[in-house]
Amino acid sequence: DTEVTQTPKHLVMGMTNKKSLKCEQHMGHRAMYWYKQKAKKPPELMFVYSYEKLSINESVPSRFSPECPNSSLLNLHLHALQPEDSALYLCASSQVAQTGLNYEQYFGPGTRLTVT
Amino acid sequence: GEDVEQSLFLSVREGDSSVINCTYTDSSSTYLYWYKQEPGAGLQLLTYIFSNMDMKQDQRLTVLLNKKDKHLSLRIADTQTGDSAIYFCAPPGRGSQGNLIFGKGTKLSVKP
Repeated sequence: DTEVTQTPKHLVMGMTNKKSLKCEQHMGHRAMYWYKQKAKKPPELMFVYSYEKLSINESVPSRFSPECPNSSLLNLHLHALQPEDSALYLCASSQVAQTGLNYEQYFGPGTRLTVT
Repeated sequence: GEDVEQSLFLSVREGDSSVINCTYTDSSSTYLYWYKQEPGAGLQLLTYIFSNMDMKQDQRLTVLLNKKDKHLSLRIADTQTGDSAIYFCAPPGRGSQGNLIFGKGTKLSVKP
């Protein structure tokens, strides 16, 4: 099973709302990722978790707050977002990278977020 | 920082071969990946090649790697309308944390 699931598929939220995106995998991967993808652009890395610890934060604004409660789950908590944060948010997982060796990442279908 | 270049568009006729090219700047010894994204969907891992290989074939897909020129290509034989999608190359990103750097993506359009 190489499936990564994400919920919800679509989300519309106002700028004062608080919402969460969820991601789950059961491949035994200990690295999980959040990406943001705007229309007609490649995915941009936001956060990386390795062994449930945050290892990369690509200077993401604090209105995005990631959480990795266990090795299968990854959440992205959203608060006070701006309209320009509207995008497709993708979750991915992989084996933990070794020095100089990156493993393939498996992506979920994404959550289409619209901020009004 | 890492720079990954791909041409933005490619149009082919059904049954022809498609070749999507990618150039990159990092020279880590690791895997290089190709992903496919259909409209409204996530990224699907298509194939990969390890940096000590020149070529890898997987059914209709052939990956060529010229490590000296830092050039990666994906050839799709007998292209079908279902192959219409955006294709991203993903050489390794900086550091050892597993992050990938994606090219801008090549939109492949297959005409019947």
